[in-house]
Amino acid sequence: DAKTTQPTSMDCAEGRAANLPCNHSTISGNEYVYWYRQIHSQGPQYIIHGLKNNETNEMASLIITEDRKSSTLILPHATLRDTAVYYCIVINQAGTALIFGKGTTLSVSS
Amino acid sequence: ETGVTQSPTHLIKTRGQQVTLRCSSQSGHNTVSWYQQALGQGPQFIFQYYREEENGRGNFPPRFSGLQFPNYSSELNVNALELDDSALYLCASTPDRNYGYTFGSGTRLTVV
Repeated sequence: DAKTTQPTSMDCAEGRAANLPCNHSTISGNEYVYWYRQIHSQGPQYIIHGLKNNETNEMASLIITEDRKSSTLILPHATLRDTAVYYCIVINQAGTALIFGKGTTLSVSS
Repeated sequence: ETGVTQSPTHLIKTRGQQVTLRCSSQSGHNTVSWYQQALGQGPQFIFQYYREEENGRGNFPPRFSGLQFPNYSSELNVNALELDDSALYLCASTPDRNYGYTFGSGTRLTVV
């Protein structure tokens, strides 16, 4: 079973920030938080990952709470092309399998 | 551009037949994983290969098997196909698990 809990769906207006929450209350000290997204009919796309510090790249920012029991993926200026299913996954460095839950379906509208 | 190419994109097979799906990864991607995604569900881990040896397996029966080759290509073989094997099959590879996996666009298998 997935170790994460995400809302089923979220809506966001184009140009606004999309904040996608994820709960991972049973995360272990050596487990990373990864985010992937899947646009319809395509394979999942890696977005970002982190251990305990906040991370930012060209796609998104990842904010992890101090107790590491939850995190938020931030898309700073959502576009229509960001409409997708977003998956939050926890895995340790030695882990072989990405355990996908049902993710959050983000709908961006104009 | 994904860097991971899967073939064929679509395939229809009859129950009981065997199928081979192929994946070509980027140079240096020593780790390759295969996933099955049923309609409306998240991908499920089938198995992973590292340097041509299986090093992890999900809850799939032995009729699901794989191979990884030195040229960074790999195969997923499924014997005795069942109707429930109808799904999108995804290949994912990485040079280092710290960097995240690159997924292909998948092969849509339909078993009739």
